[in-house]
Amino acid sequence: AQSVTQPDIHITVSEGASLELRCNYSYGATPYLFWYVQSPGQGLQLLLKYFSGDTLVQGIKGFEAEFKRSQSSFNLRKPSVHWSDAAEYFCAVGTGFQKLVFGTGTRLLVSP
Amino acid sequence: SQTIHQWPATLVQPVGSPLSLECTVEGTSNPNLYWYRQAAGRGLQLLFYSVGIGQISSEVPQNLSASRPQDRQFILSSKKLLLSDSGFYLCAWSGQGAMDTQYFGPGTRLTVL
Repeated sequence: AQSVTQPDIHITVSEGASLELRCNYSYGATPYLFWYVQSPGQGLQLLLKYFSGDTLVQGIKGFEAEFKRSQSSFNLRKPSVHWSDAAEYFCAVGTGFQKLVFGTGTRLLVSP
Repeated sequence: SQTIHQWPATLVQPVGSPLSLECTVEGTSNPNLYWYRQAAGRGLQLLFYSVGIGQISSEVPQNLSASRPQDRQFILSSKKLLLSDSGFYLCAWSGQGAMDTQYFGPGTRLTVL
């Protein structure tokens, strides 16, 4: 069965520092991969997605993610974190049948 | 542009009471619709999805049900709520493509006491 692992429950990063959030997936075929962000008490907003092609995907708000098939990973990165990036981040894998399997999320805290 | 609405935003209900959460989408037609639940400290769990009026697929056995009476309306219901039904309920829509992006509503916070 498909699964997504986000090994970090919480991450604290200083404002202006770089960020990497880890995501590992389990899926037998070529996956569709997504990163969503959720502010407290809000719905989810799509940051970026990977379907095929270039393995480095650019998203909104200066985020990018790299698909590494050999490592079954789709880590999210940002070169310089802003205080407004504090939120919860979810990685998800799509199975091609319009169903998403989500990880348990990583809560990002940004320190001044 | 497309927008998705959910109401109510928050709800506190006693155990054993009924439930009705509503989701509507504007600016698109024939969307796929989804209900997810997010429990504290956990990811999102897909509860139901619908590819058309009256067509509902259930992902997880439970005491909840879903209905789609109109093309852009999706309702989540229960006849008798359980404590374990507490959580954050999110509705989402997507196009009909094989893996179209899902767009989420603002959510409903349900507390069952």
